[in-house]
Amino acid sequence: GQQVMQIPQYQHVQEGEDFTTYCNSSTTLSNIQWYKQRPGGHPVFLIQLVKSGEVKKQKRLTFQFGEAKKNSSLHITATQTTDVGTYFCAGQVWTTRRGNKLVFGAGTILRVKS
Amino acid sequence: EAQVTQNPRYLITVTGKKLTVTCSQNMNHEYMSWYRQDPGLGLRQIYYSMNVEVTDKGDVPEGYKVSRKEKRNFPLILESPSPNQTSLYFCASRLQMSRGDYEQYFGPGTRLTVT
Repeated sequence: GQQVMQIPQYQHVQEGEDFTTYCNSSTTLSNIQWYKQRPGGHPVFLIQLVKSGEVKKQKRLTFQFGEAKKNSSLHITATQTTDVGTYFCAGQVWTTRRGNKLVFGAGTILRVKS
Repeated sequence: EAQVTQNPRYLITVTGKKLTVTCSQNMNHEYMSWYRQDPGLGLRQIYYSMNVEVTDKGDVPEGYKVSRKEKRNFPLILESPSPNQTSLYFCASRLQMSRGDYEQYFGPGTRLTVT
């Protein structure tokens, strides 16, 4: 079945350092979504990338979708303590039986030392 | 306020005692899902529903049941809970699409412990 691998599993950075998490899919994706889950909270949608090679920015966050639409990354510049949480990618795959199926990566836990 | 609600938020129960976790959304979304979250495994879909009276198995359906009698409600039923169902459960909803793509809204989560 479809899989989305996400690395690293954990990242502990000093405040002000950069952070990147990567996702790779075994199959071509219709699009990819990114979610953030604060400690004790629920996943919250951040962004969706649809086009091959797409790059989107949200303040200090940069999201990329690979040319082959099989990989994606989230980069945070100059991390802050408010960035703490788990970041999930979720790849969307079209299936005739289920329509759009969302497959989540395992998530990257980000901790920031101040 | 647009939201997905779940109840209860926390539940400790014993093996074999039937339980139901309720989920409700006020956004008129057609598509609803249940996920479980376990350390290192991310979010795994248990069941989903594309609309009223239309439900189907996700990736980890064993030991769970669902129903969708109304558009806003999508309860998760554990007929005979076992310790391996101890987990954090999320309900989610989104607009239905043919080939369009929409974000999912998650409920606050239900932490279930089965002893």
